[in-house]
Amino acid sequence: NAGVTQTPKFRILKIGQSMTLQCTQDMNHNYMYWYRQDPGMGLKLIYYSVGAGITDKGEVPNGYNVSRSTTEDFPLRLELAAPSQTSVYFCASSNREYGYTFGSGTRLTVV
Amino acid sequence: QKEVEQNSGPLSVPEGAIASLNCTYSDRGSQSFFWYRQYSGKSPELIMSIYSNGDKEDGRFTAQLNKASQYVSLLIRDSQPSDSATYLCAVNRDDKIIFGKGTRLHILP
Repeated sequence: NAGVTQTPKFRILKIGQSMTLQCTQDMNHNYMYWYRQDPGMGLKLIYYSVGAGITDKGEVPNGYNVSRSTTEDFPLRLELAAPSQTSVYFCASSNREYGYTFGSGTRLTVV
Repeated sequence: QKEVEQNSGPLSVPEGAIASLNCTYSDRGSQSFFWYRQYSGKSPELIMSIYSNGDKEDGRFTAQLNKASQYVSLLIRDSQPSDSATYLCAVNRDDKIIFGKGTRLHILP
């Protein structure tokens, strides 16, 4: 039972490049989330999904896109990377009432 | 008013003492409340959840909830150096969980 798996763990992007952060969970959770965490700051919600085929914006969605074609996978797409997107990205899944299980995070630097 | 507010700290507590972490929230409709621990460079880890008024104990941890005052707290008894971390208070809202910015706790050996 792997829980929530995120790849890659680290990535350096050049300004204007694109990439996809992968997130997979094996707990059959309907709810999945993407957060970013800047140094010394809390977690800010980017996008979330309450089930396959359903996604919604969070607090800071600009510059990102998501899709949810299966229960297990919830990839986050960055288009035209900007330095402001330098952050640590966490994926999480939930059975709603009992808190989240987080992945190990992706540390992204845009230069 | 921010949805979930915590004192950022750092909160310094001697080893063996009780650490008290506090959190207030703004949405009276919230029903689920969580405490996460986050070590530097690691992902948050759920340590306590509480859903009804009163106290909930799990080992050295006690979560306290007062919905009338919109207040959640976490007590850590017999604090250990390994408890040094950032503690995130989180509250559910609709289909999401909203996090506070966290309180840095430092246990002094």
